[in-house]
Amino acid sequence: AQSVAQPEDQVNVAEGNPLTVKCTYSVSGNPYLFWYVQYPNRGLQFLLKYITGDNLVKGSYGFEAEFNKSQTSFHLKKPSALVSDSALYFCAVRDDTGGFKTIFGAGTRLFVKA
Amino acid sequence: ETGVTQTPRHLVMGMTNKKSLKCEQHLGHNAMYWYKQSAKKPLELMFVYSLEERVENNSVPSRFSPECPNSSHLFLHLHTLQPEDSALYLCASRPSGSSYNEQFFGPGTRLTVL
Repeated sequence: AQSVAQPEDQVNVAEGNPLTVKCTYSVSGNPYLFWYVQYPNRGLQFLLKYITGDNLVKGSYGFEAEFNKSQTSFHLKKPSALVSDSALYFCAVRDDTGGFKTIFGAGTRLFVKA
Repeated sequence: ETGVTQTPRHLVMGMTNKKSLKCEQHLGHNAMYWYKQSAKKPLELMFVYSLEERVENNSVPSRFSPECPNSSHLFLHLHTLQPEDSALYLCASRPSGSSYNEQFFGPGTRLTVL
């Protein structure tokens, strides 16, 4: 069965410092992995996705994510955090075996302090 | 803006009321979804409408009923709800055909059941 885990409810980081939001997954086939961000009173917005190929994926707003097959992880990263990055971040997975669902993690709240 | 709109944005209803949530997209997508977002819980997939995906309704109470009259519009009809149904209800759409296509979310309807 597919599953996604975001082990941290909250991540705190100072502005200008690098940030990492963690995600691990479990799927039957090959994974398609996604990161979404949710700002207050808004729906989820797509940030980036991994399909195949290069393990480092670049996305919107300077974010990137690293796919690690052996560790079944897809951590979100940014070299220098901004206060405006403060939001709720969701990791999600689909597989390529014909599964019907996108499975979302519980979300990680990122606080960036000025 | 993602191109997916939802109305109303806020709804307060009593347990005996009947109301409907509306979702609209003109992105040419042919898969549409209803999700329930409750605090500190993973996104809960309620229903899917797509030519290639089955409708998910196994664990959703019958007081929620979806309607998809065409590929651009999606409704969620509500009747005799319970206070625990209070949540943010998110609509999403996706181009079907490839499992790696991301979803586009609306801003959500904040539902409060008194």
